[in-house]
Amino acid sequence: DSGVTQTPKHLITATGQRVTLRCSPRSGDLSVYWYQQSLDQGLQFLIQYYNGEERAKGNILERFSAQQFPDLHSELNLSSLELGDSALYFCASSVSSGSPNEQFFGPGTRLTVL
Amino acid sequence: GQQVMQIPQYQHVQEGEDFTTYCNSSTTLSNIQWYKQRPGGHPVFLIQLVKSGEVKKQKRLTFQFGEAKKNSSLHITATQTTDVGTYFCAGREDSSYKLIFGSGTRLLVRP
Repeated sequence: DSGVTQTPKHLITATGQRVTLRCSPRSGDLSVYWYQQSLDQGLQFLIQYYNGEERAKGNILERFSAQQFPDLHSELNLSSLELGDSALYFCASSVSSGSPNEQFFGPGTRLTVL
Repeated sequence: GQQVMQIPQYQHVQEGEDFTTYCNSSTTLSNIQWYKQRPGGHPVFLIQLVKSGEVKKQKRLTFQFGEAKKNSSLHITATQTTDVGTYFCAGREDSSYKLIFGSGTRLLVRP
């Protein structure tokens, strides 16, 4: 158990819908990262927050947005869902935002868009 | 932009054989990390390399960071069935907060 929690574990929805994925980082970690992993694919970095502020952005679609709240939990919002958005979404956390800096991953949310 | 490539994509070995995965970056890295993801699981941090030419060992696993800090390797000696999983390298440039993951190498071990 990494100490990072993600809810829900599974999510099944229809195209065009909007969903929210939630992540609680390890106690004491200020940075939260979101990744997308499609079937048998690598980890695509989406976005990073540090202590409530956006710190780095990857290949995140405009239909996707995220935020980190004062209690440091984070939410990833996915809207106008398409079939291709079906994937495993991981949240990771770390103590700081800089280097060196290991990341602790949550168990992931599996999103299925039908 | 920064790209991190990993080879091979798959490796199927007999238990007891050695295994190596290679990671190459298009740019110089400030550090490189390695993660293991078991089937159905989440990535788990293995190690971080920071210095040019650095070599670190963890039991049967040997990690190397290239002199130019653009490549890295993970070598497993005498694989076991518990080594099954996908191994990812992840690199960060000096000027970036982003950790860019390689595509991963999936290791399968025949008992």
